[in-house]
Amino acid sequence: EAGVVQSPRYKIIEKKQPVAFWCNPISGHNTLYWYRQNLGQGPELLIRYENEEAVDDSQLPKDRFSAERLKGVDSTLKIQPAELGDSAVYLCASSAKTGFFGQFFGPGTRLTVL
Amino acid sequence: LAKTTQPISMDSYEGQEVNITCSHNNIATNDYITWYQQFPSQGPRFIIQGYKTKVTNEVASLFIPADRKSSTLSLPRVSLSDTAVYYCLVGDVSGGSYIPTFGRGTSLIVHP
Repeated sequence: EAGVVQSPRYKIIEKKQPVAFWCNPISGHNTLYWYRQNLGQGPELLIRYENEEAVDDSQLPKDRFSAERLKGVDSTLKIQPAELGDSAVYLCASSAKTGFFGQFFGPGTRLTVL
Repeated sequence: LAKTTQPISMDSYEGQEVNITCSHNNIATNDYITWYQQFPSQGPRFIIQGYKTKVTNEVASLFIPADRKSSTLSLPRVSLSDTAVYYCLVGDVSGGSYIPTFGRGTSLIVHP
């Protein structure tokens, strides 16, 4: 069974440019998470989806970040415009509806903003 | 949300048993304790989860005392490949409102 797929793995852009990250969760997982991880820190939750619905986006900087999960499967996280401080690893994870047996994480996208 | 406290770093040697303790003094009745492992350039990986007493799987054991204010992840006979960051999370995983909160984790370095 395939794990959580993310693309691209690496992205380098200049500040003020837009960027998008894509995530395909494990089949059958209703819950999808986007995290941001800065160097030396643990992952920080940005947004959580239950099927198509964003049920927790309190940590998402809404002035420049947006996310969508069409049809309750794949998800896209967008930053527009990117700032220097957005350089980080963006992780996608999925899980069954509850948190039992944990989340399954993708490899992440390493974003560098120059 | 229950706050967790872990050591920032630990060192060990191959073949030794490693115990990483996590403090969670304000754990709630419905909260479970979950541990993740993260290697460089990878996403975290679920290791083990428990509510009370002891849980064991093929990778680790989790010891939780009766008051549940702390928990200990035990890695038997570590190898170099166990060098990673280990995160302790506490929360009510039984419902859809569970919000996983990672701290800074414990960086374990295993020496030859």
